[in-house]
Amino acid sequence: IAGITQAPTSQILAAGRRMTLRCTQDMRHNAMYWYRQDLGLGLRLIHYSNTAGTTGKGEVPDGYSVSRANTDDFPLTLASAVPSQTSVYFCASSDFTNSPLHFGNGTRLTVT
Amino acid sequence: GNSVTQMEGPVTLSEEAFLTINCTYTATGYPSLFWYVQYPGEGLQLLLKATKADDKGSNKGFEATYRKETTSFHLEKGSVQVSDSAVYFCALSSTGGGNKLTFGTGTQLKVEL
Repeated sequence: IAGITQAPTSQILAAGRRMTLRCTQDMRHNAMYWYRQDLGLGLRLIHYSNTAGTTGKGEVPDGYSVSRANTDDFPLTLASAVPSQTSVYFCASSDFTNSPLHFGNGTRLTVT
Repeated sequence: GNSVTQMEGPVTLSEEAFLTINCTYTATGYPSLFWYVQYPGEGLQLLLKATKADDKGSNKGFEATYRKETTSFHLEKGSVQVSDSAVYFCALSSTGGGNKLTFGTGTQLKVEL
């Protein structure tokens, strides 16, 4: 089934640990995005990539890094997790033109 | 900068009731406007969109009209069903911003029998 696959589905992580959230899409979309969803704040953009080999900062990039080595994969790394990074993380993709975003099912991350 | 303001939830309705979820926005230029829906345990799905003033987006009985004069994009449905229970997000993408969306905080809808 075409779409976006995120892994893991959920994770409990000790503060200070490093963690990479995985995202893979099979729709050959140019652009990919990482959002975090927090109650009362909606979804906020962390990082994005308009095409393979390029990345950009979103609204809340601090503490996160991304890479886009190829079209399909867009991993999000927390170098040293902190409790404020407890959230649900969504990966999304789209064609670069004005087309809708396709979302994965999310990763629920708890930092203790 | 860009911002989206939605009415707070949760909104609780009886089946077959009329639904309105208010959404207003602030943006430069001529944004495109969207409503996304999130069912429990899932990611967001596009419900409808409008790309210019006075456009009406519609899907699955839901409608929203792009009102530039009031900077609004209110979501409506004439008769809700239990299966419409979800969280609804209003969003915009600004001119020249690619597809980077600015989301509202979301409104939870609960429909009861």
